[in-house]
Amino acid sequence: SQTIHQWPATLVQPVGSPLSLECTVEGTSNPNLYWYRQAAGRGLQLLFYSVGIGQISSEVPQNLSASRPQDRQFILSSKKLLLSDSGFYLCAWSVNYNEQFFGPGTRLTVL
Amino acid sequence: SQQGEEDPQALSIQEGENATMNCSYKTSINNLQWYRQNSGRGLVHLILIRSNEREKHSGRLRVTLDTSKKSSSLLITASRAADTASYFCATDVGAAGNKLTFGGGTRVLVKP
Repeated sequence: SQTIHQWPATLVQPVGSPLSLECTVEGTSNPNLYWYRQAAGRGLQLLFYSVGIGQISSEVPQNLSASRPQDRQFILSSKKLLLSDSGFYLCAWSVNYNEQFFGPGTRLTVL
Repeated sequence: SQQGEEDPQALSIQEGENATMNCSYKTSINNLQWYRQNSGRGLVHLILIRSNEREKHSGRLRVTLDTSKKSSSLLITASRAADTASYFCATDVGAAGNKLTFGGGTRVLVKP
């Protein structure tokens, strides 16, 4: 069966510090991968998606970047965090234009 | 602006009652999906309804889709306290990467 992992679960970082969030998927090959951000009490905003290794599409201009060094690994990064980067970050995967499967999320607080 | 917008934003009902929430969207879609999110957790897929379908059922869930009105509804019958969660609709317009656009969600509280 397929599983998706995200870590860390929670993170508190100072403004200006770097960020690296990791997402890995098991049990499937060549998935589409997604990074979303969710503000408190709000819906999900798609940040990045990837249809293959090294292929990254950005949905909104921002302080973040994404990379896909392996088929089932998706990384969200920042060189210098802003206060506005705080939020709940969710990774998801899908295949064959069907439903998306979400990880447990990372709660990021930038102070 | 968001492709999908849920209504109402919040809903409070007693256990055993039915809960209905609606989703409106703006452009043509390939499919519309409903997800559930418990507080502080990831989203869980509930139902996917394709543009050529009008109604789907899954257990106590019933989803309708009216493409002429660009709207969908999710009905939870005989609600339970465990149904307390936020519910989101998401639309797939067939764009590259199977991207979904999510609405703001409906927060449902089921009181025991």
